[in-house]
Amino acid sequence: DAGITQSPRYKITETGRQVTLMCHQTWSHSYMFWYRQDLGHGLRLIYYSAAADITDKGEVPDGYVVSRSKTENFPLTLESATRSQTSVYFCASSDTGGRTAFFGQGTRLTVV
Amino acid sequence: GNSVTQMEGPVTLSEEAFLTINCTYTATGYPSLFWYVQYPGEGLQLLLKATKADDKGSNKGFEATYRKETTSFHLEKGSVQVSDSAVYFCALMDSSYKLIFGSGTRLLVRP
Repeated sequence: DAGITQSPRYKITETGRQVTLMCHQTWSHSYMFWYRQDLGHGLRLIYYSAAADITDKGEVPDGYVVSRSKTENFPLTLESATRSQTSVYFCASSDTGGRTAFFGQGTRLTVV
Repeated sequence: GNSVTQMEGPVTLSEEAFLTINCTYTATGYPSLFWYVQYPGEGLQLLLKATKADDKGSNKGFEATYRKETTSFHLEKGSVQVSDSAVYFCALMDSSYKLIFGSGTRLLVRP
């Protein structure tokens, strides 16, 4: 299916565990983004990528790691999950012209 | 730095009422401006956008005009429906194609 998909949709993990959230897009968009959504904060940018093998930090990168070996995939890893990372995570992609950004359905992550 | 400020919610209206959600921005240059909508349990969907001053974006009866002089991009709809109940986000796109969002405004429309 065309579009941008995230997996899993829901995840519960324990404090200290490593967890990876997956993001896949079928448009070959150059730009991809990870945001977290928390009540009262709107969406805050965690990391973004302008192309394969090019990534950069956003507003709230601490505790997260990203990679982008292929244009279509942009996984987000929490190396040692903390309760403050309980959130809804959204992946997005955008073409080179930045005409618009398309969002995935989100992953609701709970760290217990 | 770049930022977006939206009016606090929730906004509660009766069906067929007029809607305004205020949005102002701070940015260098002239960024593209967007309104996204998020229905319960879903991701964000692009509602409308404007790429330069005085542009008007419109979609599904919603409108917003890019006002450079007041650095604003207020969202309006003449007659809201129950199905418009959602969270609305104003955003700007910076020179690196990153979207910077406001905190969101929840709209509740009562029958």
